[in-house]
Amino acid sequence: GENVGLHLPTLSVQEGDNSIINCAYSNSASDYFIWYKQESGKGPQFIIDIRSNMDKRQGQRVTVLLNKTVKHLSLQIAATQPGDSAVYFCAERRYQGGKLIFGQGTELSVKP
Amino acid sequence: NAGVTQTPKFRILKIGQSMTLQCAQDMNHNYMYWYRQDPGMGLKLIYYSVGAGITDKGEVPNGYNVSRSTTEDFPLRLELAAPSQTSVYFCASSSAGLISYEQYFGPGTRLTVT
Repeated sequence: GENVGLHLPTLSVQEGDNSIINCAYSNSASDYFIWYKQESGKGPQFIIDIRSNMDKRQGQRVTVLLNKTVKHLSLQIAATQPGDSAVYFCAERRYQGGKLIFGQGTELSVKP
Repeated sequence: NAGVTQTPKFRILKIGQSMTLQCAQDMNHNYMYWYRQDPGMGLKLIYYSVGAGITDKGEVPNGYNVSRSTTEDFPLRLELAAPSQTSVYFCASSSAGLISYEQYFGPGTRLTVT
């Protein structure tokens, strides 16, 4: 069936390095994508979003890239910090009403 | 603004008991959602609501019920609790989505059914 999935369940990076978290989606009709960060014991927090009419969107230290040709989404975190350690979820919007379909998540671990 | 609030934070139920998870938001959002998150997994949509008096099923609605009598509140009811309902439950809300479909999440309710 169609789903949103992540290539790597865990990612370990050195503090100060850049992190790249990947996400694959299979529904070409999805028109909106969003990245969430979830710290241990907390609810997901919004990081950045992108619409399907864009290829790239930048925030503060984060960049989301969307490749519709291969149905691939990535989150880049510049100069990764210990506070970035968390589970990162991508989600896609497929239906009306703002419903989002979430992927499994990637756990990012930052080594000092 | 308090954002999205959930009560209780933790709860232990015996098999067959029932309970209501409370959710409230003060952002005047039309859309509200209930998700469950099992260990090491993503979020699965249980029920959602696009406005007061309107609710609809998500991916995993069996064993749950919801109501939406006001814009602010969206309680989730568990009838006849089962061990398979052990999970962390998140409530979320969003605006009409004209600019963004960002959903704002509550802190979660950790439920154990034994």
